Amino acid sequence: AQSVTQLGSHVSVSEGALVLLRCNYSSSVPPYLFWYVQYPNQGLQLLLKYTSAATLVKGINGFEAEFKKSETSFHLTKPSAHMRDAAEYFCAVSDGDDMRFGAGTRLTVKP
Amino acid sequence: ETGVTQSPTHLIKTRGQQVTLRCSSQSGHNTVSWYQQALGQGPQFIFQYYREEENGRGNFPPRFSGLQFPNYSSELNVNALELDDSALYLCASSLDQGRVEQYFGPGTRLTVT
Repeated sequence: AQSVTQLGSHVSVSEGALVLLRCNYSSSVPPYLFWYVQYPNQGLQLLLKYTSAATLVKGINGFEAEFKKSETSFHLTKPSAHMRDAAEYFCAVSDGDDMRFGAGTRLTVKP
Repeated sequence: ETGVTQSPTHLIKTRGQQVTLRCSSQSGHNTVSWYQQALGQGPQFIFQYYREEENGRGNFPPRFSGLQFPNYSSELNVNALELDDSALYLCASSLDQGRVEQYFGPGTRLTVT
């Protein structure tokens, strides 16, 4: 069975600082990996996805993630945080048939 | 192109009652998945419907059931509501059976008292 672990339930950064949200996965088959963002009282919005093409994936809003098979990681980064990035972020893994989400990381951006 | 919509936005029910939540898929999508997101947790897969047939189910009891209609809209029904059923219920539509590229609706917040 596949699973996702998000390290750190809360991350706080200053505006303009680097954002790093950590995600490690477990999968018995080559995985599809995703990052979603959820703003308060809203559904999930897809930030980016990895589907076995380029290991460095660029998404919306300046986010990117790198698939590292040797580390079973898919960490999300953004060079410079903006106040509007404050939200809940979810990493997810799919084998094409079943999708599992991590518990989420709440990102706070301080002025 | 319309996105995924869900109704109602919020709902309050009493323990033991039944509830029906509705989802309208993104135009052209023939597959819908339902997720339960408890407070402070990630979404958990309930089940998926593809062309009106259930096509996969997570670890949820039979009192959670669904329907998908020819126009690809769908319903999630929950019988004998329990307090732990309080959650945000999300539906997601996709163009294929696999849960790879999914588009999520805004969710229905269900509170069971």
